[in-house]
Amino acid sequence: AQRVTQPEKLLSVFKGAPVELKCNYSYSGSPELFWYVQYSRQRLQLLLRHISRESIKGFTADLNKGETSFHLKKPFAQEEDSAMYYCALSLNLGDMRFGAGTRLTVKP
Amino acid sequence: KAGVTQTPRYLIKTRGQQVTLSCSPISGHRSVSWYQQTPGQGLQFLFEYFSETQRNKGNFPGRFSGRQFSNSRSEMNVSTLELGDSALYLCASSLDTGGSGNTIYFGEGSWLTVV
Repeated sequence: AQRVTQPEKLLSVFKGAPVELKCNYSYSGSPELFWYVQYSRQRLQLLLRHISRESIKGFTADLNKGETSFHLKKPFAQEEDSAMYYCALSLNLGDMRFGAGTRLTVKP
Repeated sequence: KAGVTQTPRYLIKTRGQQVTLSCSPISGHRSVSWYQQTPGQGLQFLFEYFSETQRNKGNFPGRFSGRQFSNSRSEMNVSTLELGDSALYLCASSLDTGGSGNTIYFGEGSWLTVV
């Protein structure tokens, strides 16, 4: 079954500390993975996608097919990073499987 | 470029009624998909439309339906509303370059409360 798992519902770190949001997936084919972020009172928006291999707002994510993971990392968290983060697996034709989300809080 | 626009933003309906939600995709986007978001189930795929045709459908009962117009605008309808249909309904659009991996862009959603 195609599934995305985000094991942490809540994650709290201090400003300047490294942060890692975990994402594991289950998919038999070649996965297309995304991270979406939702800031308070804003729409869900794309943070990054694995195929572009870019860094957005200091965040990076590496696809590890052996461990079926796509963890999101940032070396130095900022208070403005506090948000809800969703890992998503694109299947086909608009069907994306989302994880349950991780609420990140960055404390001053 | 304007983002995905959804109307209405908030609405309250009574059990047994029906509701229609509207979505205008980003200009040039021909694929429109709909999602339901609830605290218990998270984000769940409802269906996807492209060129006025439903191409894909999630695991929801037939009370949930949709359509797409020639200008790519889309509507979704829920009939015989149940309390459990209370949710945030999200519309998303994409360019759809074929296959998987298309980035989808979300609207702000329509908050539906069924009482």
